[in-house]
Amino acid sequence: QVQLVESGGGLVKPGGSLRLSCAASGFTFSDYYMSWIRQAPGKGLEWVSYIGFSDSNKYYTDSVKGRFTISRDNAKNSLYLQMNSLRAEDTAVYYCARDGAPYYSSGWPNYWGQGTLVTVSS
Amino acid sequence: EIVLTQSPGTLSLSPGERTTLSCRASQSVTSSYLAWYQQKPGQAPRLLIYGASSRATGIPDRFSGSGSGTDFTLTISRLEPEDFAVYYCQQYGSSPWTFGQGTKVEIK
Repeated sequence: QVQLVESGGGLVKPGGSLRLSCAASGFTFSDYYMSWIRQAPGKGLEWVSYIGFSDSNKYYTDSVKGRFTISRDNAKNSLYLQMNSLRAEDTAVYYCARDGAPYYSSGWPNYWGQGTLVTVSS
Repeated sequence: EIVLTQSPGTLSLSPGERTTLSCRASQSVTSSYLAWYQQKPGQAPRLLIYGASSRATGIPDRFSGSGSGTDFTLTISRLEPEDFAVYYCQQYGSSPWTFGQGTKVEIK
């Protein structure tokens, strides 16, 4: 069965860095677009970033451009989010999510990890 | 950026009732590229509907989606106890993909 397991969250000071990882299993990882979607405490959902089959097609929401970098290692079935220059407003649960259909960007994730909490605070 | 506005913010209903949730877009959603998700406390969102009206795998047929252009609805024909949750709409027709703010369906 499809599994997505995030790790790497934690408490970090403003201006600090964290690297989130998502270990995928149960499907052909290289066939799917993957995303990071976040949810601030008690708030709604926000698409942070997505990546195509390789490193060539990436999207970032405006608020993280230049600070966050998404990447993937298809040999390791893993998705990453390098987060630099973190701000208090980046505090959220970060979900790794798999696109709903293979071979193209469907836009509707149908598998989500359990999330990892990132807290940015001094 | 397409802004999605969901209404109402909260619905207080009883099991067995029928309900309709609304999602209105600030501009037309390309090709009805709209999805609905359910989220329970402490859990990740669960995909219910994509393409405005296609049910995701394993979703009961009491959930149905409809609409086009700027107005979309999610209907739950008969509320089961496990349906009390927050529901989000999301458009993926125009970048950036955006979510609505959510509608909470609570037990009356």
